[in-house]
Amino acid sequence: EVQLVESGGSLVQPGGSLTLSCAASGIIFFSYAMNWVRQAPGKGLEWVSAISGGGESTDYADSVKGRFTISRDNSKNTLYLHMNSLRAEDTAVYYCAKSRAVNYYYYMDVWGGGTKVTVSS
Amino acid sequence: EVVLTQSPDTLSLSPGERATLSCRASQSVNSNYLGWYQQKPGQAPRLLIYGASSRATGIPDRFSGSGSGTDFTLTISRLEPEDFAVYYCQFYGSSRTFGQGTKVEIK
Repeated sequence: EVQLVESGGSLVQPGGSLTLSCAASGIIFFSYAMNWVRQAPGKGLEWVSAISGGGESTDYADSVKGRFTISRDNSKNTLYLHMNSLRAEDTAVYYCAKSRAVNYYYYMDVWGGGTKVTVSS
Repeated sequence: EVVLTQSPDTLSLSPGERATLSCRASQSVNSNYLGWYQQKPGQAPRLLIYGASSRATGIPDRFSGSGSGTDFTLTISRLEPEDFAVYYCQFYGSSRTFGQGTKVEIK
């Protein structure tokens, strides 16, 4: 069974940094692109970032470009999201989601349960 | 960037009724890159439909997708109690945009 488990969410001050992790099991991790999608309280889904299976290609939403960095360690079956210069509007539940193939131009067929990030003083 | 607009924002129906949800793209998109997700309160989204009309693994056949170009539709033929949820369409081509969601609530 494929499982994605996020961790690292917490309360952080504006301007602070945080790194989220997503541990994958039950899949050949490097064969699939991965994504981060977030959901602010009471709002809809917002795609944040994607990375190809080998890690050579990445993409970001304009709202996080230059502040967030996606990466992966295929030897550890783990996806990361490094978040800097955090703002109140980054407050959300962050989900990791697996793409159907090695590049990220595919639907997201497996999702983790999410980790909550709160940016507040 | 493709913008997806879903309608209506809220759909109030009774169990057993048919639900028709719309997703309109700001420009013509390849239907191979259009998907639908279901999200229940406190849960992660779940893939329902990909490629505009293909059901994901384990999805009941009361869910169907259709459309092309700029207009796409998710139809639930007979609502079951567990189908009351929020539904999102997504374009996963050159960008990975989600629509704002349609809430299907019990009337």
